Amino acid sequence: ETGVTQTPRHLVMGMTNKKSLKCEQHLGHNAMYWYKQSAKKPLELMFVYNFKEQTENNSVPSRFSPECPNSSHLFLHLHTLQPEDSALYLCASSPVLAGGTGREQFFGPGTRLTVL
Amino acid sequence: SQQGEEDPQALSIQEGENATMNCSYKTSINNLQWYRQNSGRGLVHLILIRSNEREKHSGRLRVTLDTSKKSSSLLITASRAADTASYFCATAPVTDKLIFGTGTRLQVFP
Repeated sequence: ETGVTQTPRHLVMGMTNKKSLKCEQHLGHNAMYWYKQSAKKPLELMFVYNFKEQTENNSVPSRFSPECPNSSHLFLHLHTLQPEDSALYLCASSPVLAGGTGREQFFGPGTRLTVL
Repeated sequence: SQQGEEDPQALSIQEGENATMNCSYKTSINNLQWYRQNSGRGLVHLILIRSNEREKHSGRLRVTLDTSKKSSSLLITASRAADTASYFCATAPVTDKLIFGTGTRLQVFP
């Protein structure tokens, strides 16, 4: 295990439903990320939080709403999704913002979302 | 196209053989990382190589980086069935983001 947990692991929802994905990290990290992984497409960065503050919103539609109440928890609130939003949603964390700092990211197992 | 592109998209080999995957990128980078993903699971960090390094080893993994060609390769020696997974390179330009490619799907047959 990587120290990053995600719930639920699988979620099926209709287009009119409202649901939330939860991510929790037990690593004492200060940066957290949401990614979307669709078949045959690169991993898409959605949101970045650093010390609970959002530092990146990668032009994500407003039907996805992130929330970071503290450095250990990250939520992704979903409402009025479309079938093309079906994908694996991955949460990740790192001690500080990854990238140029040369830090690795630790990923959770993901939530497999199906939108009917 | 995206920053990191892996080649080949898919690779099938027998146990014991070596597997080589390549990654090309477009902009200057601070470092490059390789990750592994088992089917339907999260990514696991394998190795990081900095822009001033040319080669790095970790167990059966060997990573090279050629910044003049903007490319990297991941070599897995003496592959095992348990190495079956998707492998991604992630480039770190001089920003705080990691940019992932589409990955190479490796199948190792017993």
